[in-house]
Amino acid sequence: EIVLTQSPGTLSLSPGERATLSCRASQSVSSSYLAWYQQKPGQAPRLLIYGASSRATGIPDRFSGSGSGTDFTLTISRLEPEDFAVYYCQQYESSPLYSFGQGTKLEIK
Amino acid sequence: QVQLQESGPGLVKPSQTLSLTCTVSGGSISSGGCSWSWIRQHPEKGLEWIGYIYYSGSTYYNPSLKSRVTISVDTSKNQFSLKLSSVTAADTAVYYCARGSAMLKDAFDIWGQGTMVTVPS
Repeated sequence: EIVLTQSPGTLSLSPGERATLSCRASQSVSSSYLAWYQQKPGQAPRLLIYGASSRATGIPDRFSGSGSGTDFTLTISRLEPEDFAVYYCQQYESSPLYSFGQGTKLEIK
Repeated sequence: QVQLQESGPGLVKPSQTLSLTCTVSGGSISSGGCSWSWIRQHPEKGLEWIGYIYYSGSTYYNPSLKSRVTISVDTSKNQFSLKLSSVTAADTAVYYCARGSAMLKDAFDIWGQGTMVTVPS
């Protein structure tokens, strides 16, 4: 079973700063099948990045994804107030076919 | 655009079967290249994928839940459904339906709003 570990658990930053979120897999993940989601309180997750680095429709270009193998990164270049939320990485491929990281909470400093 | 909406009881007694339906609107559940998943989120916790179905009826379940899960599809109603048997308090969660898109490397691009299901202890 593949396990995704996200770090840090909580990230405290100010609007305008750069955020770097990490997702590490317990075994190699095909880059094609690594995605990132944003979730705000009381809402369903929203797809941000698929294929490790492709932005989903309507996602601002301040969001970018990178990485390969076991290490992946979500970067938000300049934080806007609406970016403070919980972020999840997700892999599709290895049993249990889909799995998610435990999440990184991005909070306002 | 395609939208998903979950429906079903918000309270299920222990040992009974949880039953939820996801209605697809604005598009066809029979669209090629799409899988239809159930995902849950325990209170203040992360996301757990339960399983998916294709319009053809083929399914794949999370091994950790496989013995208790059945996902089915009704293309005539543009719906797919989840049944989870022998529930306990540990099954209390928000349940989401979501679409996996092959064009997006099977990421979940459309989600329902979620429905809270409580199993009292």
